This record gives sequence, C-alpha cells and structure tokens, in this order.
Amino acid sequence: DAKTTQPPSMDCAEGRAANLPCNHSTISGNEYVYWYRQIHSQGPQYIIHGLKNNETNEMASLIITEDRKSSTLILPHATLRDTAVYYCIVRGTSYGKLTFGQGTILTVHP
Amino acid sequence: NAGVTQTPKFRVLKTGQSMTLLCAQDMNHEYMYWYRQDPGMGLRLIHYSVGEGTTAKGEVPDGYNVSRLKKQNFLLGLESAAPSQTSVYFCASRRQGWSTDTQYFGPGTRLTVL
Repeated sequence: DAKTTQPPSMDCAEGRAANLPCNHSTISGNEYVYWYRQIHSQGPQYIIHGLKNNETNEMASLIITEDRKSSTLILPHATLRDTAVYYCIVRGTSYGKLTFGQGTILTVHP
Repeated sequence: NAGVTQTPKFRVLKTGQSMTLLCAQDMNHEYMYWYRQDPGMGLRLIHYSVGEGTTAKGEVPDGYNVSRLKKQNFLLGLESAAPSQTSVYFCASRRQGWSTDTQYFGPGTRLTVL
C-alpha cells in the first residue's frame, strides 16, 4: 500500500474553505485516493475518491496533481460540524483494505 | 435502511472472559470488515470477509476469531479477553467492485478489559 503523509492538525474559520493536503509519492498507477473523516469517535464516513481527474460531490472537492504524488481535499464552506479527523487513504489490495494513518485533525472555529 | 449496526455499544469485561460482537448490515454487501481503533490512532484491520462462509486475517488478528454464517452478519469473538484488547471496534461493509470501494462503517463498540 502506498504510504500517505498528512499534517497532524489544521485550523479553519467557519465559512471559509478548508484545504487539506496529502502526500502519496509512492502511489501506483491503478491506485485510487480516498478521503474519509471521523467525527468525535463515530465510525469513519466516506467523503470522496479519485484516480487521476479532479472530483467534486456534495460534500467536497478532490484535487489530484498531474503526477498523482499529492492531493488536496477542499471543503468549500467549512462549518463547525466539519470539525473531525480527516484521513487520506490510498486504496490497497483487491479485498479493499483501507490503511488508516493518523490523519489530520481539522478544527473549524467561529 | 439502518446501514451498519453494531451490538453492543459498550461493554466491560474482566481478563479471561469471552464475548462476541455482532455486526449487521442491510445493504446486501458482499464484503465485511472488523477494525480496532486505539486512542489517538487510526483504524487497524483485524479480520475481513469477502462473502458468506469465508473469512481472512487482517493486520492484527491474534486473540480474535470471526464467523460469517449469514451474508448480513459478521461476528467478532474474543475467547479470552486481555487488557490489550481494550479498544473501540468498528465494523464496515462494502459492495464488490474496484472503483465502487466505499466502505460504510458502524457506530462502534467501546470495549474495556479490566
């Protein structure tokens, strides 16, 4: 599995965009980048995933660099409820194992 | 549609006791997983199943057993609990397929072993 590197913590003001970076320099050509988040010890929640192209859904946008060695998760208008641990994960083996690192603690403040 | 549910939500055991954690999903998913999460850490895979009647070991399988007798249920057993198994346990499920690899997680079971 490709290893990911994320900053341990980030702050964001409510209503502003939150940009969470992730490095995955050893990613293979057929591996997807996934983002999950975990709010206050609840079960992790899927946010978005992508392979090469930028992706957008109702929760967030995912920007993947052309060389695929890094990506950025964008929460366009962060709210207090977005305070959580965000995990960047590169999809591993065929049985779909997710390797969770320590993630980024995002704190959204008023 | 309840998604993924876990029973019980909390449990306190004494060292050496046994217990079974139940995970149920109503999404007709083929794959199911058991993870544990220790304080300040990410989730680690214990065991997983790719279909009814099949199970396999994950990263940290020692001290646990699992069974998948029905497609919708995945049981995690601790035969002789140890304090090192104090953790939060999460179950997850997903459909088969490569690109549709969204895992849906349950709310977790908080286990304390004294």
